[in-house]
Amino acid sequence: GDSVTQMEGPVTLSEEAFLTINCTYTATGYPSLFWYVQYPGEGLQLLLKATKADDKGSNKGFEATYRKETTSFHLEKGSVQVSDSAVYFCALKRSNYQLIWGAGTKLIIKP
Amino acid sequence: EAQVTQNPRYLITVTGKKLTVTCSQNMNHEYMSWYRQDPGLGLRQIYYSMNVEVTDKGDVPEGYKVSRKEKRNFPLILESPSPNQTSLYFCASSFAQGPNEKLFFGSGTQLSVL
Repeated sequence: GDSVTQMEGPVTLSEEAFLTINCTYTATGYPSLFWYVQYPGEGLQLLLKATKADDKGSNKGFEATYRKETTSFHLEKGSVQVSDSAVYFCALKRSNYQLIWGAGTKLIIKP
Repeated sequence: EAQVTQNPRYLITVTGKKLTVTCSQNMNHEYMSWYRQDPGLGLRQIYYSMNVEVTDKGDVPEGYKVSRKEKRNFPLILESPSPNQTSLYFCASSFAQGPNEKLFFGSGTQLSVL
């Protein structure tokens, strides 16, 4: 069945470091892919999305490219800030439009 | 302000005592959904609703009930809570259910069943 696998956290980085959070998926067809972010004590909010192969989603300095050949959607940011500390979830939309979620990756940025 | 409102934020209860977690959205969204979030498991869908009076099971529906009598409200009911239902619960909504629709989430309800 459909699934999403994310790298385990927590990921701890210093401010201004380069960030990569890996996400790979298994799905039939060509699902839409999403990254959501959850700040402490809050609900999730959409960070970026990509709907077809080779699409690049971007928002707030974060980017992710839909790679069909490697079934991946890795999240990247060139220079992280303390305010980026949060839990990041990768997700895909199944053919019935319901979301399948990864386990989440906690990101800690130290000043 | 556009929002999804869940209540309560925190709830401690005992095994077997019926409870309801409320969810309301003010965006006229057709689609609503309930998730539970557990460490290492991400979010798992409990139930969802495509519109008024239309509900369907998600991946982990056992022990839960929902209803959708009005478009704005989608309460989650635990008729006889058990300790394995201790979790963080989120309600979410969107305009419709398509391939690209963005979900709006409530702030969550932390439930502890003793």
